[in-house]
Amino acid sequence: SAVISQKPSRDICQRGTSLTIQCQVDSQVTMMFWYRQQPGQSLTLIATANQGSEATYESGFVIDKFPISRPNLTFSTLTVSNMSPEDSSIYLCSVTQLAEIYNEQFFGPGTRLTVL
Amino acid sequence: GQNIDQPTEMTATEGAIVQINCTYQTSGFNGLFWYQQHAGEAPTFLSYNVLDGLEEKGRFSSFLSRSKGYSYLLLKELQMKDSASYLCAVINSNYQLIWGAGTKLIIKP
Repeated sequence: SAVISQKPSRDICQRGTSLTIQCQVDSQVTMMFWYRQQPGQSLTLIATANQGSEATYESGFVIDKFPISRPNLTFSTLTVSNMSPEDSSIYLCSVTQLAEIYNEQFFGPGTRLTVL
Repeated sequence: GQNIDQPTEMTATEGAIVQINCTYQTSGFNGLFWYQQHAGEAPTFLSYNVLDGLEEKGRFSSFLSRSKGYSYLLLKELQMKDSASYLCAVINSNYQLIWGAGTKLIIKP
């Protein structure tokens, strides 16, 4: 298993500002993902964070809005840029220890973001 | 499009059995997950099915029928701590993980 921590756990931000969310894993992992989840809705994958190269973004998400870093195998950041109230959501980091998508994902506790 | 359908909410009684259904229409199929998510917490893994049939793990079992695009999660001897949302997720042929909206299960004493 993997233990994942996220910082901050929650934040309230002003429109037009940016917030960087950190994800730290207690062991080296192969794949790291960033999700968004709005209350009562499904998880939506934002991107796969790739170590040493640019993240792979899903349809509807772009690097300018959600820049992602992954400097090593245990850490990643997601920035929510130029925020608007529509960005209010829970942002979750998840990891798999093996390279294949059909492995169990371990999730961080999430970051609850409110944009005013 | 790709779609995962689950009931929005279900209610059951402590000690009873409940079955949560999931139907999917995806571009191909490479496996199906069930995750449990307590309110305000992260999802945690329950099961993974890639072949037809029933997988049993303690009080929880998961069933898959690929020909019908259908799975269910069966919870036996329900406990109050089983109150949570249960998320169904399918891996499609592009190895993308498609998530359902989840079923909120309410357990009453």
